[in-house]
Amino acid sequence: GENVEQHPSTLSVQEGDSAVIKCTYSDSASNYFPWYKQELGKRPQLIIDIRSNVGEKKDQRIAVTLNKTAKHFSLHITETQPEDSAVYFCAASKPGFKTIFGAGTRLFVKA
Amino acid sequence: KAGVTQTPRYLIKTRGQQVTLSCSPISGHRSVSWYQQTPGQGLQFLFEYFSETQRNKGNFPGRFSGRQFSNSRSEMNVSTLELGDSALYLCASSLAGTSGYEQFFGPGTRLTVL
Repeated sequence: GENVEQHPSTLSVQEGDSAVIKCTYSDSASNYFPWYKQELGKRPQLIIDIRSNVGEKKDQRIAVTLNKTAKHFSLHITETQPEDSAVYFCAASKPGFKTIFGAGTRLFVKA
Repeated sequence: KAGVTQTPRYLIKTRGQQVTLSCSPISGHRSVSWYQQTPGQGLQFLFEYFSETQRNKGNFPGRFSGRQFSNSRSEMNVSTLELGDSALYLCASSLAGTSGYEQFFGPGTRLTVL
């Protein structure tokens, strides 16, 4: 069935460094790829999303890239700050079907 | 605009009991999805309701059921509770579905089964 694999499960970076989280999806019909951030004790919130007709999207310090051929997409966070520490979830979906989430990446940004 | 709300926020039940969780979506949102979140398992999809109809279902046993009312409010029911059902249950609402639309999550209901 559909599957989304996310790596790494834990990532520790120094403040100011970049962080990259990678996801692979199995269903080639997937066309919508959101990323959610969940801070400790809080609800997940959308931080950026990308659709299959776009290869890259940026929003200030975060960016997402999509490689449809290889069926993987990545989240890039530059100039990391302590408030970036959270669990990040990637997801994939196609019209009319459920959204499949990755298992999550716990990001630690050390000051 | 008020966010997604869930009640109750915490529940403690014993094995064999049943439980009903409630979710009120953002006004105007017609889609409500339910997820189970456990440490290390991420967000496991339970089901999605759209205009009072179940549109998608995850791989959970029949003990897990749900419904949606005409005002888009949704309830989720778990019967014959098992220890493994202990988790954070999140609902999320979106304008018209989970694909292509941002999902707005509620604060969750933390269920503990003893």
